[in-house]
Amino acid sequence: DTAVSQTPKYLVTQMGNDKSIKCEQNLGHDTMYWYKQDSKKFLKIMFSYNNKELIINETVPNRFSPKSPDKAHLNLHINSLELGDSAVYFCASSPYREGQPQHFGDGTRLSIL
Amino acid sequence: AQTVTQSQPEMSVQEAETVTLSCTYDTSESDYYLFWYKQPPSRQMILVIRQEAYKQQNATENRFSVNFQKAAKSFSLKISDSQLGDAAMYFCAYTMGGGADGLTFGKGTHLIIQP
Repeated sequence: DTAVSQTPKYLVTQMGNDKSIKCEQNLGHDTMYWYKQDSKKFLKIMFSYNNKELIINETVPNRFSPKSPDKAHLNLHINSLELGDSAVYFCASSPYREGQPQHFGDGTRLSIL
Repeated sequence: AQTVTQSQPEMSVQEAETVTLSCTYDTSESDYYLFWYKQPPSRQMILVIRQEAYKQQNATENRFSVNFQKAAKSFSLKISDSQLGDAAMYFCAYTMGGGADGLTFGKGTHLIIQP
């Protein structure tokens, strides 16, 4: 059974479109995250949520809107996609305890044409 | 802001030999956590090892061990008896460890295993 699952794995779309990436975890964790990995493989935190509440929002354009309907799900909606949004987006989860390792999904490769 | 530096963009090692990947970090905190993650070509992010800053003992997981030097803010990863399956990007990461803190990653080291 997949612990952190993201859909879709690949997303190819035109500039200006709106798209969503879904994430679900079955580990019983309270905390979920979104990371962006750019073309140089650099990973950066975008958001974190604890039990549906937004904790971290790292100066991400407001075209990006995370939504957590429950603590097992954290979706990422992106409006008006731009070329610079092309990247791999990773969802992760962890228990809400100090220093616990984060478990990552397999990533969604977003390509903007 | 905390920063993590991996000074080796790429490393190459012969199969069965030992290799050490370097990582330094900058923080004013005394309690924090450090991790090494592996990203093979399949794109998965796999936890390799975890270190708690307040523990002096270096973490070990089978063939993987760290050399944690708190005063020097250094956290290197040693891979013994390198195997072909170890070929991957390796990322060093830091967190202060609050419940929902994100990880701060280094830029990664691409490890090549020569058969």
